[in-house]
Amino acid sequence: ETGVTQTPRHLVMGMTNKKSLKCEQHLGHNAMYWYKQSAKKPLELMFVYNFKEQTENNSVPSRFSPECPNSSHLFLHLHTLQPEDSALYLCASSQGADYGETQYFGPGTRLLVL
Amino acid sequence: QKEVEQNSGPLSVPEGAIASLNCTYSDRVSQSFFWYRQYSGKSPELIMSIYSNGDKEDGRFTAQLNKASQYVSLLIRDSQPSDSATYLCAVKSTRGTGTALIFGKGTTLSVSS
Repeated sequence: ETGVTQTPRHLVMGMTNKKSLKCEQHLGHNAMYWYKQSAKKPLELMFVYNFKEQTENNSVPSRFSPECPNSSHLFLHLHTLQPEDSALYLCASSQGADYGETQYFGPGTRLLVL
Repeated sequence: QKEVEQNSGPLSVPEGAIASLNCTYSDRVSQSFFWYRQYSGKSPELIMSIYSNGDKEDGRFTAQLNKASQYVSLLIRDSQPSDSATYLCAVKSTRGTGTALIFGKGTTLSVSS
């Protein structure tokens, strides 16, 4: 798990709060991803960054705002979330430009929106 | 809509038995297939990847791929209680102008001692 780290590991926030999730990868990868994992649903891809450029936004509501300042760091800024946004948020990274290959996951941030 | 289907389980097997996990996918041109294991409360970890038809073995794990049938499976021999987890099938699939991993909902495996 030390290849991809995420903070915080747990987060409780109210619907009016603003918070950010952080992901850092130490694998020298060029692609990074945000996924959402809700109970009894498949992993849902949210965003893909390749060489710091966003290459996919999977129809994610604007209350989720990603930021990728460099190939090693990825943020997910949260504001005015809804209770249904409570889930495990997973960051992943993969080697090169041909993203979709083997992805390595961080430990996740478990988010509870009250 | 590209899909990956798995039986949710739970699949229960006794210790020492063979566990067989199955997955079907809808994108006929998919080329890369992965099995991830996810323990409760943890993140997914890669177990196997397979790209060609046939079998690929790694220790107690064997992945089987049949592209004509759009079917991929994972066999776990000599199942151990520590194998109890949710197994996620993932398929690299075309998506817009690029590709992405599409995950199934996962199959929960329970190995009893």
